[in-house]
Amino acid sequence: AQKITQTQPGMFVQEKEAVTLDCTYDTSDQSYGLFWYKQPSSGEMIFLIYQGSYDEQNATEGRYSLNFQKARKSANLVISASQLGDSAMYFCAMREYSQGGSEKLVFGKGTKLTVNP
Amino acid sequence: ETGVTQTPRHLVMGMTNKKSLKCEQHLGHNAMYWYKQSAKKPLELMFVYNFKEQTENNSVPSRFSPECPNSSHLFLHLHTLQPEDSALYLCASSQKTSGTYNEQFFGPGTRLTVL
Repeated sequence: AQKITQTQPGMFVQEKEAVTLDCTYDTSDQSYGLFWYKQPSSGEMIFLIYQGSYDEQNATEGRYSLNFQKARKSANLVISASQLGDSAMYFCAMREYSQGGSEKLVFGKGTKLTVNP
Repeated sequence: ETGVTQTPRHLVMGMTNKKSLKCEQHLGHNAMYWYKQSAKKPLELMFVYNFKEQTENNSVPSRFSPECPNSSHLFLHLHTLQPEDSALYLCASSQKTSGTYNEQFFGPGTRLTVL
């Protein structure tokens, strides 16, 4: 079963508008972390925002905010005032621990965001 | 150089070739990772190194051989690859391999094509 589900393969938004990218997760752990990364066409994964499972407030980083609904196991990314440079793939990821104790990130399939002028 | 660098950025190789991918991090981190990103599939973790020791091998075929001579450098040695191994190979580093907030910093990746 998928641990990270991103149901939107592609999204379109008009420049200067806000957009929400969906992410749901599946875990039985009480302590976990959720990340959003942006991957432009150049390939590099760029960290955007982090939400810890015990954080009471939704994370915010500039134009990025994370709508964390723990009971629904969702961690949607909200981008306000979209810019043309926001066009990229966006990945939701969850931290989990392997049997060896190493931390690893489990990624969703991603959402391709296109910002139209 | 800053952040995480990877060379080469693009690589085309035949199935009988031997090549190596290089990753270097300039962040003073202790953990390094190899990920594989195939078309239309989620990013898959391949290997984790913590203080030069391999702590995770995610059932990766032996035709991929990692090497971590120190905490700043990570290599992925490739031999007798298959066309399905064509993918973007991403290297990442983090301060440590576990923690409440352990952001991973990624390099630009090596786009590998196996003919």
